[in-house]
Amino acid sequence: AQTVTQSQPEMSVQEAETVTLSCTYDTSESNYYLFWYKQPPSRQMILVIRQEAYKQQNATENRFSVNFQKAAKSFSLKISDSQLGDTAMYFCAFMKPGTASKLTFGTGTRLQVTL
Amino acid sequence: GAVVSQHPSWVICKSGTSVKIECRSLDFQATTMFWYRQFPKQSLMLMATSNEGSKATYEQGVEKDKFLINHASLTLSTLTVTSAHPEDSSFYICSAFIPARRKETQYFGPGTRLLVL
Repeated sequence: AQTVTQSQPEMSVQEAETVTLSCTYDTSESNYYLFWYKQPPSRQMILVIRQEAYKQQNATENRFSVNFQKAAKSFSLKISDSQLGDTAMYFCAFMKPGTASKLTFGTGTRLQVTL
Repeated sequence: GAVVSQHPSWVICKSGTSVKIECRSLDFQATTMFWYRQFPKQSLMLMATSNEGSKATYEQGVEKDKFLINHASLTLSTLTVTSAHPEDSSFYICSAFIPARRKETQYFGPGTRLLVL
């Protein structure tokens, strides 16, 4: 079974600064997907970024980028130029490829962006 | 990204009544949808996997007779909380799975807040 660990329950960053959220996982699979989802106060889960394990290149989406270290089973999220709207819970998640694949979530990191 | 809707967004009901929550994929067909439950300040807990045209697969500890799931079409799955009790009060979220090769992703609905009095 897969496990996902987010060791930072809460983080704080000032507006316009950069913050990195940590995520580690454990799996015996060689091919899989990793995700970061954002859950703002509205509680809508929003896909932030997606990484395919077979790709060595780190995924980026505008101000969001990941540092994917497959050997270390690490998948951190970097948010650049933080904005007040980035305040949310961030969940790291693991999924095996194929139909009906379940997401395994971490416990989440609550990020507060301050002025 | 893909759009998933849920209805209702919130519901208050009396103990003993049944509540139905709908999950729709608006711009794609979803053969598989998932139902989650989330308690305050906690992560999402998978309740069941809903497959179009077949019975749902429930996670261990989830009562299938209490949480009835029907995936009647490629764009609609429903969760019915039967004989609801206060302990069923929670935030319920559905997701729809896009199976496109190498693009597999789950997209989430906005959630339904259930309060059982």
